Amino acid sequence: SQQGEEDPQALSIQEGENATMNCSYKTSINNLQWYRQNSGRGLVHLILIRSNEREKHSGRLRVTLDTSKKSSSLLITASRAADTASYFCATDTSSNTGKLIFGQGTTLQVKP
Amino acid sequence: ETGVTQTPRHLVMGMTNKKSLKCEQHLGHNAMYWYKQSAKKPLELMFVYSLEERVENNSVPSRFSPECPNSSHLFLHLHTLQPEDSALYLCASSQDIFPMGTQYFGPGTRLLVL
Repeated sequence: SQQGEEDPQALSIQEGENATMNCSYKTSINNLQWYRQNSGRGLVHLILIRSNEREKHSGRLRVTLDTSKKSSSLLITASRAADTASYFCATDTSSNTGKLIFGQGTTLQVKP
Repeated sequence: ETGVTQTPRHLVMGMTNKKSLKCEQHLGHNAMYWYKQSAKKPLELMFVYSLEERVENNSVPSRFSPECPNSSHLFLHLHTLQPEDSALYLCASSQDIFPMGTQYFGPGTRLLVL
């Protein structure tokens, strides 16, 4: 089973609307990261949130972390067509395995 | 540009060919990674190198052979691949593996095995 699981798997919204994606994980973590991937390209890092942090902002992005529920959410406000991509959460587990565990991702489509 | 480059960007090979994928990072990082991304599957970690030492080999078939000659370069040597090995192969780097911070990804090599 996956350490990180995103929900929903796919999301379609109109430009200007907000998009919320959720990530759940199973074991305790050092940090949780969100990445974006445009079709067939490499992943681009968006935000890293540490286990002792509850919320972080970066431009139109807001990430929350609830370690008691083992969940995180990524909110994109005032979405644009250019936000169309797949979004992945990844966890650095407290077992210090030296690797990130990626979820299956949420595919976001923003219609102009 | 993330500071991580990969060549070639696209590769078509037969099952009997031998080819190599190359990754180079210009970020001064100590750790490098190979991932495989297939359709409808999560990113699969294949290999991790830290300071040129392999620290993770994620049960990858021997037809994939990594090489890390120095901390800036990482290769993936391919031989006698199968059609199910067709995928996007991504290279990434990070400052270190402990603690694990941001990973910087290359654009990937799209591999098709015929």
